[in-house]
Amino acid sequence: AQSVTQLDSQVPVFEEAPVELRCNYSSSVSVYLFWYVQYPNQGLQLLLKYLSGSTLVESINGFEAEFNKSQTSFHLRKPSVHISDTAEYFCAVVMFSGGYNKLIFGAGTRLAVHP
Amino acid sequence: DTGVSQDPRHKITKRGQNVTFRCDPISEHNRLYWYRQTLGQGPEFLTYFQNEAQLEKSRLLSDRFSAERPKGSFSTLEIQRTEQGDSAMYLCASKGGDSYEQYFGPGTRLTVT
Repeated sequence: AQSVTQLDSQVPVFEEAPVELRCNYSSSVSVYLFWYVQYPNQGLQLLLKYLSGSTLVESINGFEAEFNKSQTSFHLRKPSVHISDTAEYFCAVVMFSGGYNKLIFGAGTRLAVHP
Repeated sequence: DTGVSQDPRHKITKRGQNVTFRCDPISEHNRLYWYRQTLGQGPEFLTYFQNEAQLEKSRLLSDRFSAERPKGSFSTLEIQRTEQGDSAMYLCASKGGDSYEQYFGPGTRLTVT
């Protein structure tokens, strides 16, 4: 069965510093991975996805994630964070079941950007 | 495309009362999901609809919970005889048939007192 582990529950960082949010997955079938971001009292917004092709995927706001099959990881990185990046970040893997699919989420990492 | 909408955004109810939440998916999406998110956790799958058919229910969905999608468009999630442990954010998501990414609504935050 698929599962997702986010290794850090909280990551504090200063503005303009680099950040990495770690995600490891387990899956015995084709792997499709996502990062979602959740701002306070809001739903989840899709940040980026890996379905196939290039193992490095990028979002429009400067985040990137690299799919590493040998290490079963999909870590999220940003070279320089802003205050507005403060949010909860969730890594998710697609789980296939009975001819359809659903998302399995990690517990989330709270990114706190300080001035 | 107005996105996924959910109503209400917040609900406070007393233990033992019934509550109903509504989700309106993106109009062309025929797949609809309900998730529950408790404090400090990621969303957990509750149930899935393909058009009007409910194809899977998680064991998290006790017999006090029921979900419907009568015309394959909007969906409702009802909780009967609410308990304090039902307090959570209830998220709805939808997707098109050939895609993997799901699009989430803003959620309904339920507080049971």
